[in-house]
Amino acid sequence: GEDVEQSLFLSVREGDSSVINCTYTDSSSTYLYWYKQEPGAGLQLLTYIFSNMDMKQDQRLTVLLNKKDKHLSLRIADTQTGDSAIYFCAETYSNMLTFGGGTRLMVKP
Amino acid sequence: NAGVTQTPKFRVLKTGQSMTLLCAQDMNHEYMYWYRQDPGMGLRLIHYSVGEGTTAKGEVPDGYNVSRLKKQNFLLGLESAAPSQTSVYFCASSPFYRERGNIQYFGAGTRLSVL
Repeated sequence: GEDVEQSLFLSVREGDSSVINCTYTDSSSTYLYWYKQEPGAGLQLLTYIFSNMDMKQDQRLTVLLNKKDKHLSLRIADTQTGDSAIYFCAETYSNMLTFGGGTRLMVKP
Repeated sequence: NAGVTQTPKFRVLKTGQSMTLLCAQDMNHEYMYWYRQDPGMGLRLIHYSVGEGTTAKGEVPDGYNVSRLKKQNFLLGLESAAPSQTSVYFCASSPFYRERGNIQYFGAGTRLSVL
């Protein structure tokens, strides 16, 4: 697999926007994913983007993909305390996923 | 709608003991995976299976064995547990969507401590 990197921690105030960034190295990845992990739980798929797209919007979530720079971001609008979790980006190769180390998002009231 | 179920949820072992973690999925998925999650390291793939009766090594297979005798079950075995195997273990399953790639569905995890 290839390396997928994320910053470890992000803190925002409730109602602000959150932006979580990810860089990947495998230019042949066809899909990129964002997963959310709440405390004591498994990973849950939030959204995904096909590599020929630049942007995907799904309610409060916006995914931006810069394929030239191999940079993926997840923007959460109007962040709520329930959004506090660890967020993982992942890229595909073959039938497998390579995950970043996860970004812990803390939302302060 | 159970999805992916892992048993047990918690386990404490002594060094050298053996155990088997069970993963069951009721979604008729072809692919199944075992990961371990350690702080700051994301998820690392241990072993995976692309169908009943098949298994393959992932990124960190040493010290683990797996079996997939039935499509819905994927077992992870530790023959002689070591403290380095203290971790949270996740099982996942996936169909193959040509149009969506490899979306994986995860169990709630098994927290294992090896003393």
